[in-house]
Amino acid sequence: DQQVKQNSPSLSVQEGRISILNCDYTNSMFDYFLWYKKYPAEGPTFLISISSIKDKNEDGRFTVFLNKSAKHLSLHIVPSQPGDSAVYFCAASDNNAGNMLTFGGGTRLMVKP
Amino acid sequence: DAMVIQNPRYQVTQFGKPVTLSCSQTLNHNVMYWYQQKSSQAPKLLFHYYDKDFNNEADTPDNFQSRRPNTSFCFLDIRSPGLGDAAMYLCATNFGLGTNEKLFFGSGTQLSVL
Repeated sequence: DQQVKQNSPSLSVQEGRISILNCDYTNSMFDYFLWYKKYPAEGPTFLISISSIKDKNEDGRFTVFLNKSAKHLSLHIVPSQPGDSAVYFCAASDNNAGNMLTFGGGTRLMVKP
Repeated sequence: DAMVIQNPRYQVTQFGKPVTLSCSQTLNHNVMYWYQQKSSQAPKLLFHYYDKDFNNEADTPDNFQSRRPNTSFCFLDIRSPGLGDAAMYLCATNFGLGTNEKLFFGSGTQLSVL
């Protein structure tokens, strides 16, 4: 049973527009959420995170929104750039730390020039 | 400089032939993780070490074993690889504390089983 789900396997966006990647979770014990980005033939790299005590965290072009009641989080990238083309993984933990992560299946983002 | 190094990047083995994947970290951190990622699926935690303390996930098959001879190195042994074990194997260590803690991954080893 997948506790973290990314229902869109792929997303295509025009350069300069907003990319919105979505993630849903079922485990109400999750209290810390992260997004990782993965290029082909490389390991995932940390992008941005949010604690369950917040509903928004922003870092440059990247913003993560958390809706605890809906058990939903989203990653907004604006403006999108071709270099953002990668697979994005949503991850969650239940110990208020960025370890022992449960990952979603990933969304492949393609940003077209 | 890479802080988590996995060798080799690509590994081909035969069905049933034991294979070992290696990982090293230059951060001298006490926790190391092994994840398995099959194509288009979520990375799945196999096990992790806290120092020499080995922690196996409940659903990790017995076919998968691990060794950590020292802080820097960790090995994943697959005793009798099956076709279903073909995957990307990711090693990671942690960085930071509490809500600043993040996993730092190596580039992975892509395992093919013929």
